[in-house]
Amino acid sequence: GQQLNQSPQSMFIQEGEDVSMNCTSSSIFNTWLWYKQDPGEGPVLLIALYKAGELTSNGRLTAQFGITRKDSFLNISASIPSDVGIYFCAGRTIYGGATNKLIFGTGTLLAVQP
Amino acid sequence: DVKVTQSSRYLVKRTGEKVFLECVQDMDHENMFWYRQDPGLGLRLIYFSYDVKMKEKGDIPEGYSVSREKKERFSLILESASTNQTSMYLCASSPAGGFEQYFGPGTRLTVT
Repeated sequence: GQQLNQSPQSMFIQEGEDVSMNCTSSSIFNTWLWYKQDPGEGPVLLIALYKAGELTSNGRLTAQFGITRKDSFLNISASIPSDVGIYFCAGRTIYGGATNKLIFGTGTLLAVQP
Repeated sequence: DVKVTQSSRYLVKRTGEKVFLECVQDMDHENMFWYRQDPGLGLRLIYFSYDVKMKEKGDIPEGYSVSREKKERFSLILESASTNQTSMYLCASSPAGGFEQYFGPGTRLTVT
């Protein structure tokens, strides 16, 4: 199955730093989702985006639906140790038809040094 | 809040055993999904269901089957477990017409 290109693969930062990650696709998407997964747990939905150019925040997290509709970005401001985990993007292409299947990114591993 | 529960967090089975993984959601969602997650391979869709008794193959259905007899419950069955099915199994659900999937905590299955 298709996967989204997510970068960077991993990040090791100091507490208080800002974080940026992105997800790109060769196809046009009509939905972008961002998830966080803690070790040994299931992914938790952070932000959902439905329109090109849309900018949505959830606390210190901000995500954007790229205007080309082929990419999305997630920023975390003033990182804290509990931000540690794997961040996944997921989306649905305009060719998804009637199904609710998502395509997932490869994940960005975030480590925060106190 | 949407709640998706999975019957076991950790499971150890022997090669050749029949394994049942159960998933229950409490939000009346029409769609339910089973994924497996392996390091370096990300999330891969095994099967999904968009209605009771309806199922569709995902990207890696070989060696698995599913059952959805009630709307809230979606079961994944490994007919004859093999060591290459050792993995983290994740169940998710989403409402009809909605694309936001809500995941359970996962079952880490080890087949020896």
